[in-house]
Parts: sequence; structure tokens; C-alpha cells
Amino acid sequence: EVQLLESGGGLVQPGGSLRLSCAASGFTFSNDAMTWVRQAPGKGLEWVSTISSGGGNTYYADSVKGRFTISRDNSKNTLYLEVNSLRAEDTAVYYCATYRGSGRPLEYWGQGTLVTVSS
Amino acid sequence: EIVLAQSPATLSLSPGERATLSCRASQSVSSYLAWYQQKPGQAPRLLIYGASNRATGIPARFSGSGSGTDFTLTISSLEPEDFAVYYCQQSSNWPLTFGGGTEVEIK
Repeated sequence: EVQLLESGGGLVQPGGSLRLSCAASGFTFSNDAMTWVRQAPGKGLEWVSTISSGGGNTYYADSVKGRFTISRDNSKNTLYLEVNSLRAEDTAVYYCATYRGSGRPLEYWGQGTLVTVSS
Repeated sequence: EIVLAQSPATLSLSPGERATLSCRASQSVSSYLAWYQQKPGQAPRLLIYGASNRATGIPARFSGSGSGTDFTLTISSLEPEDFAVYYCQQSSNWPLTFGGGTEVEIK
């Protein structure tokens, strides 16, 4: 059974930083690209970032480019999202999801971790 | 960026009725279109991929159709557990984009 478990969210002041993690199990993590998607309270889904299976290729939404960094450790089956220079509009539930490459859907999702940016 | 417009924003129906949800893309996404269901407090769940393929474990009452710019998700006969928000998403071009969602609510 595929399981994705996010952690690392919390309350942070504007301008602050967090490191989100997504622990994966139940599939061959190193074979799949991975993606972060976020959802602001009461709003729709927004793609944030994607990393290739080997970590060599990364993609970012314009809204987070230069502030967020996606990475992975295939030896630990873990995906990361370093979120810096946080703004109030970054407040959201952050989900990790599997993504098997171009043209494929986001097949499996974690339950999400809430990031709240507020003073 | 490919914009996905979902309609209607809200669909008020009774159990047993047929639901028809629309997703229109600002440019062709071929068949690289997926549908997700999200219930309150839960993560999205993949329903349909490749415009018309049901994901594993998804009941046959869910079906998807379309290609290019116009897509439809049909729920043939609504069950109580189907009342939720539905999103379409394209993976044809970067950035990946989602539609704004359609809420299927109990009439």
C-alpha cells in the first residue's frame, strides 16, 4: 500500500522558513517523480513544485520560484520542500503526491501538512 | 500557462441523479487531463486520468470523456458519498494547472 506522510508544518512569522518532509513507502520511491501541491484555506489546488526521480530536474510555480527549494533523498525515501521568505499568502495545506512523469496524473497523495504564516 | 475553466461552480442534485461536470482548457492538452475528488478535511483522490481512464478502485458510475480543450466528468447516479468538490488538472504543459473546482452539493 502506497503511503505518503507529510510533516514539518506549523506557525511561522512572515519572512520565516520551514522544511517540509514527505516520507514515502509502499512503492519504489526512486522510480517516481514527486510533486508538492498546496491549498489555501477554502481555496482550490495549486501546483507548487516537481522533482524528477533522480533529483536532477526541478520545476517551480512562478509564485514560489527563488523562495522554495524541492529536493529528495532516495536512500531515505523522503521528499523535502524548503520554504523560505514566507508570506501570508503561502498559508496553506501542503500535499506531496506521486507523479510518474510528463502527461501522467498525480496518482497518490499524502494527507497534507498545514503551514500558517502569521505574526 | 494553460488555464482550466470548470463549470458550473456548484451543482445541486439529489442522490440517484446524473451529474455532468465540465472542464475547458485555454489550449489543447490532448488527453493529458485528470479528475480528482476532494471531501472536506481530506486529500484529493484521483478518479480519472488520460481523460477517460478510471483510476484503480474507482466505481464504474464515474466516467470521463473529451480531448483537446473540452472535457466532461459524468457521475451516472449520485451516491451519498459522491457529494464533494471535483477538480480537473492538466499535465500536458508546465506549469501543471488545476481548474477552480465544481462543488456537487445535495439538493
